[in-house]
Amino acid sequence: AQKITQTQPGMFVQEKEAVTLDCTYDTSDPSYGLFWYKQPSSGEMIFLIYQGSYDQQNATEGRYSLNFQKARKSANLVISASQLGDSAMYFCAMRDLQSSYKLIFGSGTRLLVRP
Amino acid sequence: NAGVTQTPKFQVLKTGQSMTLQCAQDMNHEYMSWYRQDPGMGLRLIHYSVGAGITDQGEVPNGYNVSRSTTEDFPLRLLSAAPSQTSVYFCASSTEPGQGDSPLHFGNGTRLTVT
Repeated sequence: AQKITQTQPGMFVQEKEAVTLDCTYDTSDPSYGLFWYKQPSSGEMIFLIYQGSYDQQNATEGRYSLNFQKARKSANLVISASQLGDSAMYFCAMRDLQSSYKLIFGSGTRLLVRP
Repeated sequence: NAGVTQTPKFQVLKTGQSMTLQCAQDMNHEYMSWYRQDPGMGLRLIHYSVGAGITDQGEVPNGYNVSRSTTEDFPLRLLSAAPSQTSVYFCASSTEPGQGDSPLHFGNGTRLTVT
């Protein structure tokens, strides 16, 4: 069965610094996708970045990058140059691409950016 | 652009009442799903559908029914509401899941309270 683990319930980071949010996963499927979502206090879910299991390079989207270590089954999100608007809940999620297509979420990490 | 539309935004039910949460998308997405979000537990998958006429159970399906008669609509039915179903419910959709990068598009959520 698929499983996503986010071990950091909450984190602080100073404005303009970089921060890494941890995510480990477990699956027996060879083909899967990994996603990160942001949920600000207003409640909406915002897609940030995607990494496919067969992608050779780590995904990047602006200030977001995904540190994908397949052998360790980790997909950490790195936010560079943190901004006050980055304060939010962050969810890691995984979807298998061959069978059930279910997207399973981790429990989330609450990030607070300090001025 | 409407995207994914959920109604109602808020609902209060008494124990034992039934109701239907509505979800509609106008992006011609094949995949639709329902999640519930509880504090500290992230988003948990209730039911999902990979196309009209096809539904399947997620992690926490008990107490909920779904149907998918059209591509656009995916209603979630609570048969006999219980206080344990107090939660925020999100509907989400995406293109063909097997195509790799197919992030979920989320509705704005329904906050349900069962007394």
